[in-house]
Amino acid sequence: DVKVTQSSRYLVKRTGEKVFLECVQDMDHENMFWYRQDPGLGLRLIYFSYDVKMKEKGDIPEGYSVSREKKERFSLILESASTNQTSMYLCASSFPQASGSPYSYNEQFFGPGTRLTVL
Amino acid sequence: RKEVEQDPGPFNVPEGATVAFNCTYSNSASQSFFWYRQDCRKEPKLLMSVYSSGNEDGRFTAQLNRASQYISLLIRDSKLSDSATYLCVVNADQTGANNLFFGTGTRLTVIP
Repeated sequence: DVKVTQSSRYLVKRTGEKVFLECVQDMDHENMFWYRQDPGLGLRLIYFSYDVKMKEKGDIPEGYSVSREKKERFSLILESASTNQTSMYLCASSFPQASGSPYSYNEQFFGPGTRLTVL
Repeated sequence: RKEVEQDPGPFNVPEGATVAFNCTYSNSASQSFFWYRQDCRKEPKLLMSVYSSGNEDGRFTAQLNRASQYISLLIRDSKLSDSATYLCVVNADQTGANNLFFGTGTRLTVIP
Protein backbone atom coordinates (compact mmCIF):
# COMPACT_ATOMS: atom_id res chain seq x y z
CA ASP A 1 0.00 0.00 0.00
CA VAL A 2 1.41 3.34 -1.08
CA LYS A 3 2.21 5.64 1.77
CA VAL A 4 3.05 9.33 1.67
CA THR A 5 3.66 10.89 5.06
CA GLN A 6 4.09 14.49 6.10
CA SER A 7 5.94 15.57 9.20
CA SER A 8 3.12 17.50 10.85
CA ARG A 9 -0.67 17.68 10.51
CA TYR A 10 -0.89 21.11 12.12
CA LEU A 11 1.76 23.78 12.46
CA VAL A 12 1.64 27.30 13.87
CA LYS A 13 4.50 29.69 13.14
CA ARG A 14 5.19 33.38 13.45
CA THR A 15 5.84 35.84 10.65
CA GLY A 16 9.50 35.80 9.63
CA GLU A 17 10.24 32.30 10.91
CA LYS A 18 11.89 29.71 8.68
CA VAL A 19 9.58 26.76 8.22
CA PHE A 20 10.40 23.23 7.05
CA LEU A 21 7.72 20.86 5.81
CA GLU A 22 8.88 17.30 5.26
CA CYS A 23 7.40 14.66 3.01
CA VAL A 24 8.42 11.01 2.74
CA GLN A 25 7.14 8.35 0.36
CA ASP A 26 7.82 4.63 0.46
CA MET A 27 7.01 3.61 -3.13
CA ASP A 28 10.30 4.49 -4.81
CA HIS A 29 8.53 7.16 -6.87
CA GLU A 30 10.73 9.41 -9.00
CA ASN A 31 8.34 12.36 -9.01
CA MET A 32 7.38 14.36 -5.95
CA PHE A 33 5.21 17.46 -5.72
CA TRP A 34 4.28 20.19 -3.28
CA TYR A 35 0.88 21.88 -3.56
CA ARG A 36 -1.02 24.34 -1.48
CA GLN A 37 -4.79 24.22 -1.26
CA ASP A 38 -6.89 27.28 -0.51
CA PRO A 39 -10.68 27.75 -0.56
CA GLY A 40 -11.88 28.88 -3.97
CA LEU A 41 -8.45 28.40 -5.53
CA GLY A 42 -8.06 24.63 -5.44
CA LEU A 43 -4.70 22.91 -5.49
CA ARG A 44 -1.84 24.95 -6.89
CA LEU A 45 1.56 23.50 -7.65
CA ILE A 46 4.47 25.14 -5.80
CA TYR A 47 7.42 22.98 -6.83
CA PHE A 48 8.04 19.52 -8.14
CA SER A 49 11.01 17.21 -8.46
CA TYR A 50 11.53 14.41 -10.95
CA ASP A 51 14.78 13.09 -9.51
CA VAL A 52 17.14 13.45 -6.60
CA LYS A 53 18.63 16.95 -6.45
CA MET A 54 16.38 18.05 -9.33
CA LYS A 55 13.65 20.63 -8.87
CA GLU A 56 11.33 22.63 -11.06
CA LYS A 57 9.15 25.62 -10.27
CA GLY A 58 5.43 25.16 -10.37
CA ASP A 59 2.80 27.85 -10.68
CA ILE A 60 3.43 29.69 -7.40
CA PRO A 61 7.07 29.20 -6.29
CA GLU A 62 7.59 32.69 -4.87
CA GLY A 63 8.48 32.62 -1.17
CA TYR A 64 9.27 28.89 -1.22
CA SER A 65 12.24 26.66 -1.88
CA VAL A 66 12.63 22.88 -1.91
CA SER A 67 15.22 20.24 -1.27
CA ARG A 68 15.47 16.67 -2.54
CA GLU A 69 18.60 15.04 -1.21
CA LYS A 70 17.16 11.52 -1.15
CA LYS A 71 14.67 9.89 -3.48
CA GLU A 72 12.11 9.25 -0.78
CA ARG A 73 12.18 12.69 0.82
CA PHE A 74 11.06 16.08 -0.51
CA SER A 75 11.19 19.13 1.73
CA LEU A 76 9.38 22.44 1.32
CA ILE A 77 11.02 25.46 2.92
CA LEU A 78 9.47 28.80 3.71
CA GLU A 79 12.50 31.03 4.10
CA SER A 80 10.60 33.78 5.95
CA ALA A 81 7.00 32.84 6.64
CA SER A 82 4.31 35.40 5.94
CA THR A 83 0.62 35.46 6.82
CA ASN A 84 -0.38 34.89 3.18
CA GLN A 85 1.34 31.51 3.36
CA THR A 86 -1.28 30.28 5.81
CA SER A 87 -2.71 27.32 3.94
CA MET A 88 -3.07 23.56 3.65
CA TYR A 89 0.10 22.06 2.15
CA LEU A 90 -0.13 18.75 0.34
CA CYS A 91 2.72 16.58 -0.82
CA ALA A 92 2.28 14.00 -3.59
CA SER A 93 4.39 11.43 -5.38
CA SER A 94 4.13 9.37 -8.54
CA PHE A 95 6.07 7.43 -11.11
CA PRO A 96 6.87 9.51 -14.17
CA GLN A 97 4.89 9.32 -17.37
CA ALA A 98 6.29 6.91 -19.92
CA SER A 99 8.86 8.76 -21.93
CA GLY A 100 7.26 10.76 -24.73
CA SER A 101 3.78 9.58 -23.94
CA PRO A 102 1.29 11.98 -22.37
CA TYR A 103 -1.22 9.17 -22.25
CA SER A 104 0.70 7.06 -19.84
CA TYR A 105 -0.26 8.90 -16.72
CA ASN A 106 0.68 7.57 -13.33
CA GLU A 107 -1.55 8.30 -10.37
CA GLN A 108 -0.37 10.89 -7.89
CA PHE A 109 -0.61 9.74 -4.28
CA PHE A 110 -1.08 12.43 -1.69
CA GLY A 111 0.03 12.77 1.90
CA PRO A 112 -2.48 13.75 4.61
CA GLY A 113 -1.56 17.42 4.42
CA THR A 114 -0.09 19.98 6.81
CA ARG A 115 -2.30 22.84 7.88
CA LEU A 116 0.07 25.75 8.43
CA THR A 117 -0.99 28.91 10.23
CA VAL A 118 1.34 31.90 10.16
CA LEU A 119 0.55 34.50 12.81
CA ARG B 1 -8.30 32.13 -17.28
CA LYS B 2 -8.06 29.03 -15.12
CA GLU B 3 -6.81 25.81 -16.66
CA VAL B 4 -9.72 23.86 -15.23
CA GLU B 5 -13.09 25.24 -14.18
CA GLN B 6 -15.90 23.50 -12.39
CA ASP B 7 -19.07 24.48 -10.57
CA PRO B 8 -18.20 24.65 -6.85
CA GLY B 9 -21.70 23.65 -5.78
CA PRO B 10 -22.66 22.70 -3.18
CA PHE B 11 -24.90 19.99 -4.54
CA ASN B 12 -27.29 18.64 -1.92
CA VAL B 13 -29.13 15.55 -3.14
CA PRO B 14 -31.25 12.84 -1.49
CA GLU B 15 -30.04 9.27 -1.23
CA GLY B 16 -30.73 7.37 -4.41
CA ALA B 17 -30.63 10.43 -6.65
CA THR B 18 -28.54 10.81 -9.79
CA VAL B 19 -26.20 13.77 -9.86
CA ALA B 20 -23.87 15.09 -12.57
CA PHE B 21 -20.83 17.34 -12.32
CA ASN B 22 -19.32 19.22 -15.21
CA CYS B 23 -15.90 20.61 -15.85
CA THR B 24 -14.22 22.56 -18.65
CA TYR B 25 -10.54 22.86 -19.46
CA SER B 26 -8.74 25.56 -21.39
CA ASN B 27 -5.76 23.78 -22.96
CA SER B 28 -6.84 22.00 -26.13
CA ALA B 29 -3.59 20.00 -26.03
CA SER B 30 -4.64 18.29 -22.79
CA GLN B 31 -4.36 14.54 -23.10
CA SER B 32 -5.32 12.92 -19.81
CA PHE B 33 -8.33 13.58 -17.63
CA PHE B 34 -9.34 12.40 -14.18
CA TRP B 35 -11.72 12.76 -11.31
CA TYR B 36 -10.27 12.80 -7.81
CA ARG B 37 -12.31 12.60 -4.64
CA GLN B 38 -11.46 14.54 -1.49
CA ASP B 39 -13.22 13.84 1.78
CA CYS B 40 -13.47 16.55 4.40
CA ARG B 41 -10.06 17.21 5.98
CA LYS B 42 -8.48 14.41 3.95
CA GLU B 43 -6.15 14.22 0.97
CA PRO B 44 -7.37 13.84 -2.63
CA LYS B 45 -7.53 10.31 -4.01
CA LEU B 46 -7.98 9.15 -7.57
CA LEU B 47 -11.59 8.18 -8.26
CA MET B 48 -11.32 7.38 -11.94
CA SER B 49 -9.57 8.24 -15.15
CA VAL B 50 -11.62 9.57 -18.06
CA TYR B 51 -11.15 7.95 -21.43
CA SER B 52 -12.11 9.31 -24.83
CA SER B 53 -14.97 6.90 -25.27
CA GLY B 54 -16.32 7.47 -21.79
CA ASN B 55 -16.04 4.89 -19.07
CA GLU B 56 -18.03 3.45 -16.24
CA ASP B 57 -17.08 2.10 -12.84
CA GLY B 58 -20.07 0.80 -10.94
CA ARG B 59 -22.36 3.75 -10.19
CA PHE B 60 -19.89 6.25 -11.65
CA THR B 61 -19.73 7.26 -15.31
CA ALA B 62 -17.17 9.67 -16.75
CA GLN B 63 -17.48 11.32 -20.15
CA LEU B 64 -15.08 13.39 -22.22
CA ASN B 65 -15.96 15.77 -25.05
CA ARG B 66 -12.74 16.96 -26.64
CA ALA B 67 -14.45 19.26 -29.14
CA SER B 68 -16.09 21.22 -26.34
CA GLN B 69 -13.20 20.68 -23.89
CA TYR B 70 -15.67 19.35 -21.37
CA ILE B 71 -15.59 16.51 -18.84
CA SER B 72 -18.44 15.14 -16.78
CA LEU B 73 -18.98 12.77 -13.88
CA LEU B 74 -22.34 11.08 -13.30
CA ILE B 75 -23.16 9.37 -10.02
CA ARG B 76 -26.20 7.10 -9.98
CA ASP B 77 -28.05 5.86 -6.91
CA SER B 78 -26.21 8.26 -4.58
CA LYS B 79 -25.09 6.92 -1.21
CA LEU B 80 -24.39 8.85 1.97
CA SER B 81 -20.76 7.79 1.59
CA ASP B 82 -20.54 9.67 -1.73
CA SER B 83 -20.56 12.96 0.20
CA ALA B 84 -17.23 14.57 -0.65
CA THR B 85 -15.61 17.15 -2.90
CA TYR B 86 -14.99 15.98 -6.46
CA LEU B 87 -11.96 17.44 -8.21
CA CYS B 88 -11.71 17.62 -11.98
CA VAL B 89 -8.08 17.10 -12.98
CA VAL B 90 -6.29 17.52 -16.30
CA ASN B 91 -2.81 16.57 -17.41
CA ALA B 92 -1.59 18.89 -20.15
CA ASP B 93 2.06 18.26 -19.44
CA GLN B 94 4.08 17.23 -22.47
CA THR B 95 7.37 17.00 -20.57
CA GLY B 96 6.81 13.69 -18.85
CA ALA B 97 6.85 15.26 -15.42
CA ASN B 98 3.29 14.15 -14.80
CA ASN B 99 2.04 17.58 -13.72
CA LEU B 100 -1.66 17.95 -13.08
CA PHE B 101 -4.03 20.90 -13.13
CA PHE B 102 -6.80 20.74 -10.56
CA GLY B 103 -10.22 22.33 -10.56
CA THR B 104 -11.40 23.94 -7.35
CA GLY B 105 -13.77 21.06 -6.70
CA THR B 106 -17.50 20.45 -6.56
CA ARG B 107 -18.90 19.71 -3.15
CA LEU B 108 -21.55 16.99 -2.88
CA THR B 109 -23.69 16.26 0.16
CA VAL B 110 -26.01 13.26 0.02
CA ILE B 111 -28.91 13.67 2.43
CA PRO B 112 -30.70 10.74 4.12
